[in-house]
Amino acid sequence: QKEVEQNSGPLSVPEGAIASLNCTYSDRGSQSFFWYRQYSGKSPELIMFIYSNGDKEDGRFTAQLNKASQYVSLLIRDSQPSDSATYLCAVPTDTGRRALTFGSGTRLQVQP
Amino acid sequence: DAGVIQSPRHEVTEMGQEVTLRCKPISGHNSLFWYRQTMMRGLELLIYFNNNVPIDDSGMPEDRFSAKMPNASFSTLKIQPSEPRDSAVYFCASSLSGEDQPQHFGDGTRLSIL
Repeated sequence: QKEVEQNSGPLSVPEGAIASLNCTYSDRGSQSFFWYRQYSGKSPELIMFIYSNGDKEDGRFTAQLNKASQYVSLLIRDSQPSDSATYLCAVPTDTGRRALTFGSGTRLQVQP
Repeated sequence: DAGVIQSPRHEVTEMGQEVTLRCKPISGHNSLFWYRQTMMRGLELLIYFNNNVPIDDSGMPEDRFSAKMPNASFSTLKIQPSEPRDSAVYFCASSLSGEDQPQHFGDGTRLSIL
C-alpha cells in the first residue's frame, strides 16, 4: 500500500512570503507526482504535476522533486491570502498510473 | 466545456435508506474515479473505471457499496443500506485514458446519513 505523508498544518505565512509545503512518499518506484489545491467546501483542483527530478515552475508555483530522498515540495512565492487552502500531494496508485493516492493535505494560511 | 457534473449536491437521508449518487464525466474522458473524503480518513479512492470497465474496486468499503458505468457519459455509486458512518463528501473525477493524466473533480455530493 503506497503511503503519502504530509504535515497537516496549519502552516501560517505572512502575505508576500514564500510558503513551502512538503510531501514524502513510501514507494521508490513512484514516477509522477501531483499537487492539488482544495478550498474549504470545494473540490480539489490540479495546480502542478512533476515527473522528473529537479524543479518545475509555473507562475508563482514551483514543484521540487527529489526521488533519492523520496520527497516532493511545493513552493508558493509571493503568497497571497487567496492561496489559503489545503494542498494535497498525490501519487499514482497502480501500475497503470491512473488512480491516485492522496496525502491528508497541508492547510496553508496566508496572513494579510 | 462543462466539467464533471455530480448530483445531487447534498443528500440527507435516514439510516437504512438507499442512496444513489450520479456522475457525468467530461466528454471524451475515458477514466472515471469515485472518491470519498472525510476529516478522519482524507480523500480515499473507492473505485475507478477505464472505458466503462471497473479496474480497481479494492477501495469500496463493503458489499453495501456498488458502482456502475453503463456508458461513457454516466456513472452511479449506490449505497444500500446506508449507515451513519457513510456520511462524507463523495467526489467523482474523470481523466483522459493513459498514464499520468490529470484528474478533474466534480463539485462533490455531501451525504449525511441520520
